[in-house]
Amino acid sequence: NAGVTQTPKFRVLKTGQSMTLLCAQDMNHEYMYWYRQDPGMGLRLIHYSVGEGTTAKGEVPDGYNVSRLKKQNFLLGLESAAPSQTSVYFCASSYAWGLGTDTQYFGPGTRLTVL
Amino acid sequence: AQTVTQSQPEMSVQEAETVTLSCTYDTSENNYYLFWYKQPPSRQMILVIRQEAYKQQNATENRFSVNFQKAAKSFSLKISDSQLGDTAMYFCAFMATGANSKLTFGKGITLSVRP
Repeated sequence: NAGVTQTPKFRVLKTGQSMTLLCAQDMNHEYMYWYRQDPGMGLRLIHYSVGEGTTAKGEVPDGYNVSRLKKQNFLLGLESAAPSQTSVYFCASSYAWGLGTDTQYFGPGTRLTVL
Repeated sequence: AQTVTQSQPEMSVQEAETVTLSCTYDTSENNYYLFWYKQPPSRQMILVIRQEAYKQQNATENRFSVNFQKAAKSFSLKISDSQLGDTAMYFCAFMATGANSKLTFGKGITLSVRP
């Protein structure tokens, strides 16, 4: 049982390049989330999914797209990377939402640098 | 909208002593959850403790306990018998119980345990 895993762990991009971050969970969780963590800002929600085939915007969605084609995977895409997207990205998952069994479990994070 | 405030950016404690990390929040919700997450240098976000707002009894997990003051909207974390492995960033987080509620994080506090 690996929990939540993220690929890659580190990445350096040039401005304008694209990339996809992969999140996978083996806990059969319905809900998945992408956050970004910036110094002095705490974690902020980018996008989330309440089930396979669904996605929704979070607090800071601009410049990102997501897809949830399979229940266990949640992809975060950057179509044209900008230096402002330099951050540490965390994926999380939970069994439910707001129902008492909704503790979110986090992946190890991906450190992305955009030059 | 909910806000979570951690006003102390960093704290330091001697090994084996007790330390309390402060957190306040603002919400109009009556039913919600509060969390403390630990982020060690490895970056992994680890759930330390959670508290349901409807429970009057403060949550405890081994050396970790909370002081939940609902009327004052305060949720502090007490770490007893501090260990070197407790060195980490600690994030306070809030989530309402309704559908589509979001996990809102504070900015975090850096705790250093001195040998």
